Amino acid sequence: AQSVTQLGSHVSVSEGALVLLRCNYSSSVPPYLFWYVQYPNQGLQLLLKYTTGATLVKGINGFEAEFKKSETSFHLTKPSAHMSDAAEYFCAVGLPNSSASKIIFGSGTRLSIRP
Amino acid sequence: DGGITQSPKYLFRKEGQNVTLSCEQNLNHDAMYWYRQDPGQGLRLIYYSQIVNDFQKGDIAEGYSVSREKKESFPLTVTSAQKNPTAFYLCASSGRTSGSMAGELFFGEGSRLTVL
Repeated sequence: AQSVTQLGSHVSVSEGALVLLRCNYSSSVPPYLFWYVQYPNQGLQLLLKYTTGATLVKGINGFEAEFKKSETSFHLTKPSAHMSDAAEYFCAVGLPNSSASKIIFGSGTRLSIRP
Repeated sequence: DGGITQSPKYLFRKEGQNVTLSCEQNLNHDAMYWYRQDPGQGLRLIYYSQIVNDFQKGDIAEGYSVSREKKESFPLTVTSAQKNPTAFYLCASSGRTSGSMAGELFFGEGSRLTVL
């Protein structure tokens, strides 16, 4: 069985500061990992994903995440926060070569940016 | 532009009424999905369909029904049997049913249902 845990339902950072959103997963097989972003009253948009290969994954809007198997983590980072980054972020875990119906979403982390 | 269109964006329903949420995609995707989103709970899968005229129950299918008569369309009916229907409903599609691209979901903008 798979599961995903996002630490911190709400994170607040100052504009220009480092953004760090934490995600830990559990999977019986090497997982596929995803980060999605949701702006208010909108659908989700894929930020980045890890399937195989390079463990540091770069996504849109300057975000990146590193797959750390030993720590079962896939934390999302951005060096310098921008006001437009305020949104809810979802980490998700899936099975290799499987339907998206197998994807499990975390409960989300709301990111606020202070001026 | 290609994408997923959900309607209506906001819907109010009286208790005991069925309501149907529309989802249309022009991405030529085979697979389509319905999720329910509640505050602090992430997304939960209601139903999914990997091919026309076929669909499967997700984790919380009770009180919901779907149809997939056309590749482009995957409507969701929230029936009166659904005990707590007030939520934000998201439709998604995927171009692949397996493989590394299968997890790349494309979402509509959602429909917010409120039961009065």
